[in-house]
Amino acid sequence: DAKTTQPPSMDCAEGRAANLPCNHSTISGNEYVYWYRQIHSQGPQYIIHGLKNNETNEMASLIITEDRKSSTLILPHATLRDTAVYYCIVRGPGNRSRLTFGEGTQLTVNP
Amino acid sequence: DAGVIQSPRHEVTEMGQEVTLRCKPISGHNSLFWYRQTMMRGLELLIYFNNNVPIDDSGMPEDRFSAKMPNASFSTLKIQPSEPRDSAVYFCASTVGRTNSPLHFGNGTRLTVT
Repeated sequence: DAKTTQPPSMDCAEGRAANLPCNHSTISGNEYVYWYRQIHSQGPQYIIHGLKNNETNEMASLIITEDRKSSTLILPHATLRDTAVYYCIVRGPGNRSRLTFGEGTQLTVNP
Repeated sequence: DAGVIQSPRHEVTEMGQEVTLRCKPISGHNSLFWYRQTMMRGLELLIYFNNNVPIDDSGMPEDRFSAKMPNASFSTLKIQPSEPRDSAVYFCASTVGRTNSPLHFGNGTRLTVT
């Protein structure tokens, strides 16, 4: 699975959009980009995933560059409850492939 | 949907004792994963099962660790004998058998070995 690079920490004002970047320059053509988050002492929570098209759900939007070497997770209106560690993960196809977590980005939403 | 259920939530034991962690995956899910999380090493994949069969156990730290999945609704992770360095939060996750379906995690078992 390709390696990802994320900034260790970011801050965001409550109510503003939070844009979390991720680099995955060695991604393969059949590997998906997944985003999870972990709020302190809880299990990781799935947010969104995509292959090459931009994706949106009730939690967030995922923007993947055309060359697929980087992506951005967007939380459109961040709240204090969005304070968490956000993990960007690249995973191969099929349920036999591993989901390997890196160090993630600590997002702090400030009032 | 009750989610992935892990028990116990907290376990405190003495070095040398046997510890068994339990996981009930989401009904209908056929892949199950065990992770361990520590401050030093982050989230590490220990082992995962597909249709109750272990697929990759390369993350299991040593022979003291063993995992079983006797049926589709139950899995155990056993440590025997336990050591203080095994202290961590252990997470179980499951997913349905579609390609690229996301993993759903339980809330973990916090293990403390004294």
